[in-house]
Amino acid sequence: LAKTTQPISMDSYEGQEVNITCSHNNIATNDYITWYQQFPSQGPRFIIQGYKTKVTNEVASLFIPADRKSSTLSLPRVSLSDTAVYYCLRVIYNQGGKLIFGQGTELSVKP
Amino acid sequence: EAGVTQFPSHSVIEKGQTVTLRCDPISGHDNLYWYRRVMGKEIKFLLHFVKESKQDESGMPNNRFLAERTGGTYSTLKVQPAELEDSGVYFCASSQGAGDFNYGYTFGSGTRLTVV
Repeated sequence: LAKTTQPISMDSYEGQEVNITCSHNNIATNDYITWYQQFPSQGPRFIIQGYKTKVTNEVASLFIPADRKSSTLSLPRVSLSDTAVYYCLRVIYNQGGKLIFGQGTELSVKP
Repeated sequence: EAGVTQFPSHSVIEKGQTVTLRCDPISGHDNLYWYRRVMGKEIKFLLHFVKESKQDESGMPNNRFLAERTGGTYSTLKVQPAELEDSGVYFCASSQGAGDFNYGYTFGSGTRLTVV
């Protein structure tokens, strides 16, 4: 199963909006895209999930264009505590909802 | 609400020994998944339970790994005998449905297994 592709690392400053892009050219019709955040020595934590167009919750927005070959996670006004690894994942719903992990993006937020 | 609990948090064993990892999912979550990250690699799916039944064990690396979920509650993952390449972090995740759209999966903090 094809993994997603995202930048290995990104730097940002407190208060900025951060956009992390993810490529998933071979996404299947039944797949969803979901994003998780992971801090050292913890398990991944759910951020947001979508299928197409834009989804927004209290912590982030996710935009998936009509062709669904990419997605962008938007974190508004990041703080130092947002320094973490962010994973863009495929959710394979026709295989019991298993997650396909890529390498993730290590986001570093500086003061 | 209690989260997903995994123990032990760390385990160091010698090659050839047996280790059993345990996961307690969130109460009422029928779906339980095991994942692992071995050194330098991405996190990979191991298997999926729905209640006490194995739905998908396509990610289990070999027959040295045995997972069970007694009565559809907690789950154990036994490695017997352990090999050096089994070292890594083993994560457990649970959800009520197969991937709750609004809340996703809840992961435990993982068990770090070191085989020496």
